[in-house]
Amino acid sequence: QKEVEQNSGPLSVPEGAIASLNCTYSDRVSQSFFWYRQYSGKSPELIMSIYSNGDKEDGRFTAQLNKASQYVSLLIRDSQPSDSATYLCAVNGGGATNKLIFGTGTLLAVQP
Amino acid sequence: DTEVTQTPKHLVMGMTNKKSLKCEQHMGHRAMYWYKQKAKKPPELMFVYSYEKLSINESVPSRFSPECPNSSLLNLHLHALQPEDSALYLCASSSIEYNEQFFGPGTRLTVL
Repeated sequence: QKEVEQNSGPLSVPEGAIASLNCTYSDRVSQSFFWYRQYSGKSPELIMSIYSNGDKEDGRFTAQLNKASQYVSLLIRDSQPSDSATYLCAVNGGGATNKLIFGTGTLLAVQP
Repeated sequence: DTEVTQTPKHLVMGMTNKKSLKCEQHMGHRAMYWYKQKAKKPPELMFVYSYEKLSINESVPSRFSPECPNSSLLNLHLHALQPEDSALYLCASSSIEYNEQFFGPGTRLTVL
């Protein structure tokens, strides 16, 4: 059974701090990794994609991938109350499918 | 246009009703997806269409019937649903190559 694991939280950080969200996955053949943000009652919004080892930065967001450790993370710099949401890690299921395996999500609460 | 649209936004139906959910994308994507999401859970894959053909059916009950009339449209026909089918139904699309899935706003379904 291919798995993606996240700490459910809530992860509470003060406004302006760095929020660090972590995700591990079980399938070594996975090639594509995604972070989605989901506000309560809304649909998931793709915020980062990463395909190779290392860091990828986009504005206040940095995704980090370590395939050897089967670990992907999301850093949010200068966290704002508007960043409060559930963050879903998703991993391509590998093989010839377009199937994503989702983690259970981490609830982030940014305190003003 | 980087948007996936879904109609209706909300739907209330009885267990004997027949209804349809609709999804449309104009991003040129050739993969489209239906997901079901319950509260505080990650999206759960139901169906995948690749090049307008059903490629994945995650053992979904036959009371859910997908249809892909063309590369931009995806329907989900509902018949004889149960109260436990009440959920947020999400449509997504992606390119075949990169599997960055973009979600629509969802249809909030309530089965009475």
